[in-house]
Amino acid sequence: DAKTTQPNSMESNEEEPVHLPCNHSTISGTDYIHWYRQLPSQGPEYVIHGLTSNVNNRMASLAIAEDRKSSTLILHRATLRDAAVYYCILPLAGGTSYGKLTFGQGTILTVHP
Amino acid sequence: EPEVTQTPSHQVTQMGQEVILRCVPISNHLYFYWYRQILGQKVEFLVSFYNNEISEKSEIFDDQFSVERPDGSNFTLKIRSTKLEDSAMYFCASSERGYRINQPQHFGDGTRLSIL
Repeated sequence: DAKTTQPNSMESNEEEPVHLPCNHSTISGTDYIHWYRQLPSQGPEYVIHGLTSNVNNRMASLAIAEDRKSSTLILHRATLRDAAVYYCILPLAGGTSYGKLTFGQGTILTVHP
Repeated sequence: EPEVTQTPSHQVTQMGQEVILRCVPISNHLYFYWYRQILGQKVEFLVSFYNNEISEKSEIFDDQFSVERPDGSNFTLKIRSTKLEDSAMYFCASSERGYRINQPQHFGDGTRLSIL
């Protein structure tokens, strides 16, 4: 998988927006950008993914830079339940890979009441 | 919303014993995965499985490990002759149509395996 770089930790206050950055300067033209999160004592949870255009779903928004070398996961109003480790992943699609996800250390998001 | 379910939630086993971890993927999903997470470490890929055979496996997935889809609903991970270092959370995941169209993976809540 292409390498991604995320801050180790970020903090937010409840009901404020959170912007979680991810750098992926070696991204190829066919790499999708996936975001997962892992709440305490739970398995990873899919959040959102995109290729070139910004994406929105019920959980979050994904803003992708025009050159695709970075992206930002946006939580519009953080809640205490959003406290988790957030992973930005570029899964290999094709070749000898069958979709395995390579998790890094991710960003630990702390949400303050 | 459909879920991936894993049983048991916690398994305690003596070193050297065999253990089987069970997963029920989402019913219309075709691609299945096992990952593990040693306490305090990253989530690591173990194996992917499609069309009743292993598609890809990591270096961790050696001869000690095997996977099986014994019927139309279950997906199992067997660890023979467990070692202390096998203690970890084991996560099962499934996806509908897999990697070629970048389908997301849906994870279960894991089985905590403790080897004594």
